[in-house]
Amino acid sequence: GAGVSQSPSNKVTEKGKDVELRCDPISGHTALYWYRQSLGQGLEFLIYFQGNSAPDKSGLPSDRFSAERTGGSVSTLTIQRTQQEDSAVYLCASSLVRGPQETQYFGPGTRLLVL
Amino acid sequence: AQSVTQPDIHITVSEGASLELRCNYSYGATPYLFWYVQSPGQGLQLLLKYFSGDTLVQGIKGFEAEFKRSQSSFNLRKPSVHWSDAAEYFCAVGASNQGGKLIFGQGTELSVKP
Repeated sequence: GAGVSQSPSNKVTEKGKDVELRCDPISGHTALYWYRQSLGQGLEFLIYFQGNSAPDKSGLPSDRFSAERTGGSVSTLTIQRTQQEDSAVYLCASSLVRGPQETQYFGPGTRLLVL
Repeated sequence: AQSVTQPDIHITVSEGASLELRCNYSYGATPYLFWYVQSPGQGLQLLLKYFSGDTLVQGIKGFEAEFKRSQSSFNLRKPSVHWSDAAEYFCAVGASNQGGKLIFGQGTELSVKP
């Protein structure tokens, strides 16, 4: 079956612009996660969604970052007023349900470059 | 708070040689431990995971890992490395009180010499 897909695969933007990154999880997966992979910081958790529960936003680095998940499926990560330090690969993952024992399936990522 | 340390940033082994990638974690209770592999331009793929039971875990592609509570370690091993194993490897820990979010190590980049 189809895996997790993300779009765009690459995004170049100018400092100060807003960007939207999209994630399509595996069909039927109720949990969705966003991570950021950057040089010097490794892989960092950003936010996760589980069904209709309030998302865990504890990893979002600033209020310029927000995410939503519509209809319990597709998710959009929005970065407002981008800064150069936002340059990174943004990875999305989904799992059948939320829980530390659940396998997370990762998408290929969106590589964001802020000039 | 949980943390994961992968002491080796980069390892080079010869094809056919054995491999061990180190991972140490910090967590108060029994952790949920994972090894993922990332090939260039690809997302992360799960190699294996440990929650409980037998401390030696078998994974895909001939990899195995051993959970050692006394050493807070979860090292990844492979008896004979193939050139296609060249990639970056991440150890991660999850906790029951943290939902499903994973804490990752910094990663170990594996190069394979012919």
